[in-house]
Amino acid sequence: GAGVSQSPRYKVTKRGQDVALRCDPISGHVSLYWYRQALGQGPEFLTYFNYEAQQDKSGLPNDRFSAERPEGSISTLTIQRTEQRDSAMYRCASSRDNTGELFFGEGSRLTVL
Amino acid sequence: KNQVEQSPQSLIILEGKNCTLQCNYTVSPFSNLRWYKQDTGRGPVSLTIMTFSENTKSNGRYTATLDADTKQSSLHITASQLSDSASYICVVISQTSYDKVIFGPGTSLSVIP
Repeated sequence: GAGVSQSPRYKVTKRGQDVALRCDPISGHVSLYWYRQALGQGPEFLTYFNYEAQQDKSGLPNDRFSAERPEGSISTLTIQRTEQRDSAMYRCASSRDNTGELFFGEGSRLTVL
Repeated sequence: KNQVEQSPQSLIILEGKNCTLQCNYTVSPFSNLRWYKQDTGRGPVSLTIMTFSENTKSNGRYTATLDADTKQSSLHITASQLSDSASYICVVISQTSYDKVIFGPGTSLSVIP
């Protein structure tokens, strides 16, 4: 696609429910990053893929968070048993390779009630 | 621990004035440093990418500097405009067998008439 596409743009869920956030990177981009951003805060790195390989997941807060990119293109960030503290804007970025410019999606705003 | 710090946390300037934002990092090994502008509610947009050998790079009214010895970077904005009001995020890429993205907390700039 022309840009990084994320869905859903907005998600409201009840505490304890699982959510899946999707990122469709720019076609052909090798690297894909997930990060989240609380209101008024800088981005917090979550995890990173090169092709389908998850290279770094050190930023995932706990084992309720997981991500996959099975075919090296679309990625899904899954949060199990959501908690109110998970509420944030979750953004995805992709780059042509591991030195290229990062292109960011518009984000998925998650609200956990 | 790889860290990126930015100062000031927030800044208010009059339209037409210049300002300089600072970024200090302890990331090692270093690959490149990027400045992004993030308008409220939008994803970050790249302003500059600087590699180890680059000392200064300009993009219109934005000029970034990098001192890899002291691990400091600055973003200078000249003749500020109201549209410059945004968060400016410093991002450092760490080069290992893969690249890790470390985000700074951002500087919130408000340009007032």
